Amino acid sequence: EVQLVESGGGLVQPGGSLRLSCAASGFAFSANWMHWVRQVPGKGLMWVSRMNPDGSSATYADSVKGRFTISRDNAKNTLYLQMDSLRAEDSAVYYCSRSLLGASDYWGQGTLVTVSS
Amino acid sequence: QSVLTQPPSASGTPGQRVTISCSGSSSNIGSYNVHWYQQLPGTAPKVVIFTNNQRPSGVPDRFSGSKSGTSASLAISGLESEDEADYYCATWDASLNAVVFGGGTKLTVL
Repeated sequence: EVQLVESGGGLVQPGGSLRLSCAASGFAFSANWMHWVRQVPGKGLMWVSRMNPDGSSATYADSVKGRFTISRDNAKNTLYLQMDSLRAEDSAVYYCSRSLLGASDYWGQGTLVTVSS
Repeated sequence: QSVLTQPPSASGTPGQRVTISCSGSSSNIGSYNVHWYQQLPGTAPKVVIFTNNQRPSGVPDRFSGSKSGTSASLAISGLESEDEADYYCATWDASLNAVVFGGGTKLTVL
């Protein structure tokens, strides 16, 4: 059974940092593109970043470029999102997802990030 | 303001057919596959249509998708109360070099 479990969310002050993790199981993690998508509670989905299977290529939404870094450890079947210089508008539930044929076919349960003083 | 335009709401009675539209441009829908996600309250999104018109296993055949030019649509026939959810379209945008989502459509089953 495919499972994606996010962790690392919490309350952080503006300007602070947080690292999210997404533990994957039940599939060949090293063969799949992976994404981070976020959602402000009650609002729509916003794509954040994606990484290719071997970790050599990453793409980011303009709003997080230069502040967030996606990475992966295929030996540990884990996807990461390092978030620096956090702003109030980064507050959201962050989901990781597996990509298949361009679609996110499996999603984690999400982890809530709150940026506030 | 989302790159992909969806109606904010849609509704229908049980048994009816409803359609949700998703309008984009040549840099996104016009060039790439469209995927549709269903999000029930308090849960993570779930793909109901991928690559324009393909249904994942486990998704009822009441769900169908189509794409023409720079627009796509999701149709749900034989509407059931369990279909009440938010629906999002998504695709790649070559100009933005990013995945883009529609703003979402809240489907109400009356």
